[in-house]
Amino acid sequence: AQTVTQSQPEMSVQEAETVTLSCTYDTSESDYYLFWYKQPPSRQMILVIRQEAYKQQNATENRFSVNFQKAAKSFSLKISDSQLGDAAMYFCAYRSDRGSTLGRLYFGRGTQLTVWP
Amino acid sequence: AAGVIQSPRHLIKEKRETATLKCYPIPRHDTVYWYQQGPGQDPQFLISFYEKMQSDKGSIPDRFSAQQFSDYHSELNMSSLELGDSALYFCASSLSEGNNQPQHFGDGTRLSIL
Repeated sequence: AQTVTQSQPEMSVQEAETVTLSCTYDTSESDYYLFWYKQPPSRQMILVIRQEAYKQQNATENRFSVNFQKAAKSFSLKISDSQLGDAAMYFCAYRSDRGSTLGRLYFGRGTQLTVWP
Repeated sequence: AAGVIQSPRHLIKEKRETATLKCYPIPRHDTVYWYQQGPGQDPQFLISFYEKMQSDKGSIPDRFSAQQFSDYHSELNMSSLELGDSALYFCASSLSEGNNQPQHFGDGTRLSIL
C-alpha cells in the first residue's frame, strides 16, 4: 500500500508571510495524482490543489502552489501571503491512477497550520 | 454549486445499536467513496462504489455494509456499534472513477457512541 508522510505535525506563520508544508510519499507506480486538502475547525474537507504525476509543471492555485519532485517523491505546499483563514489542518493525499485501488485516497497524518496576526 | 450532502450531521448511538449514514453525491457524479476519520487521525478509506457496483474495499469492518442506489446516493449501514466506531464519517463523490476528476467531500457525519 502507498504511504504518505507529513513530517511536520504543526507549523505556524505570520499573516502575510509565506509557509511551506512538506509531504513525501512512497509508491512503485508511475502514474498517480497528489492532492492537498484543508480541514478547518468546521471539519469540512476542502480541496486546495492537485497535481498529476505525469505533468512536470508545478500546479498553482492563486496563493497556493506546489513543488513536485517526482524522483524524490516529494510534494510540498507553499502558501504565499498567508491569511487568518488559512489556519487549518492540511492533509497531503495520494491517489493511484490504475489497478484495484484506483480512486481511493491515501492521506498523511496532517499538518496543523496556525496563522498569527 | 451543489455539493455532496450527508445526513445526518450528528448521530448519537449506544453500543450494539445500528446506524445508517446517507450520502447524496454532486449531480452527475457516479462514484462515491466513504472514509472514516477517528479523533486526531487522518481519514481512512472504507469503501467505494462506481455505477452502483462496489469498486474498492478498504479497512471496513464486517459489521458495516454499504450500497449505492439507482439515483447514485449511497448508504453506509453500521451494526453492533462499538465505542471505537465514534468518528467523523466522510462521503466523497467524483464524476468518474477512471477520470482524473478530484473527489469532493461532504461535511461529514459525526457519530458518537455512548
